[in-house]
Amino acid sequence: EPEVTQTPSHQVTQMGQEVILRCVPISNHLYFYWYRQILGQKVEFLVSFYNNEISEKSEIFDDQFSVERPDGSNFTLKIRSTKLEDSAMYFCASSQDRVDNEQFFGPGTRLTVL
Amino acid sequence: RKEVEQDPGPFNVPEGATVAFNCTYSNSASQSFFWYRQDCRKEPKLLMSVYSSGNEDGRFTAQLNRASQYISLLIRDSKLSDSATYLCVVPSGNTGKLIFGQGTTLQVKP
Repeated sequence: EPEVTQTPSHQVTQMGQEVILRCVPISNHLYFYWYRQILGQKVEFLVSFYNNEISEKSEIFDDQFSVERPDGSNFTLKIRSTKLEDSAMYFCASSQDRVDNEQFFGPGTRLTVL
Repeated sequence: RKEVEQDPGPFNVPEGATVAFNCTYSNSASQSFFWYRQDCRKEPKLLMSVYSSGNEDGRFTAQLNRASQYISLLIRDSKLSDSATYLCVVPSGNTGKLIFGQGTTLQVKP
């Protein structure tokens, strides 16, 4: 069964450092997303991406965040200068369609900012 | 009203019990709804989609009341393996954005 993969599974970084979280969506999917979940809190939408551009971003997704699809398979989330409050689980998801369509989630990257 | 609101629980039930979770949503224009399951520190996984008045899949039944903006999930004959957090999820807009409730935790005990 096709699945979304994410690397690394756990990333530890120092405050102020840049991190890149990587995702490989399901191959025939066209819509890509990033969500985050702070420990003990709900899953929050960060950004949706289609046709090589951002479709929508949340208030959380400020100038420190960027997304990119550098090739035909990878979808990355970059945080330029990490803050303590960026510590969370980051989930990548993909779907075939954007409305009323199941989003498949990757296993997540746990980001710890020290 | 919060965009998506759930009773966080926890619900502690014995094996074989029937348990129901509720969810309310604020956007009356929403047309579709989802229940996802999330195991501890794992990714959300789709359990059921709800597009009309309801949906049934084995021991799981989801019902939708559009007038009250209310969705429910019923689990019959609970199994130990049903222990998880159940997330009520509502799409927002037309970009695929999903709004998650905080989840309801279920613990099924032998």
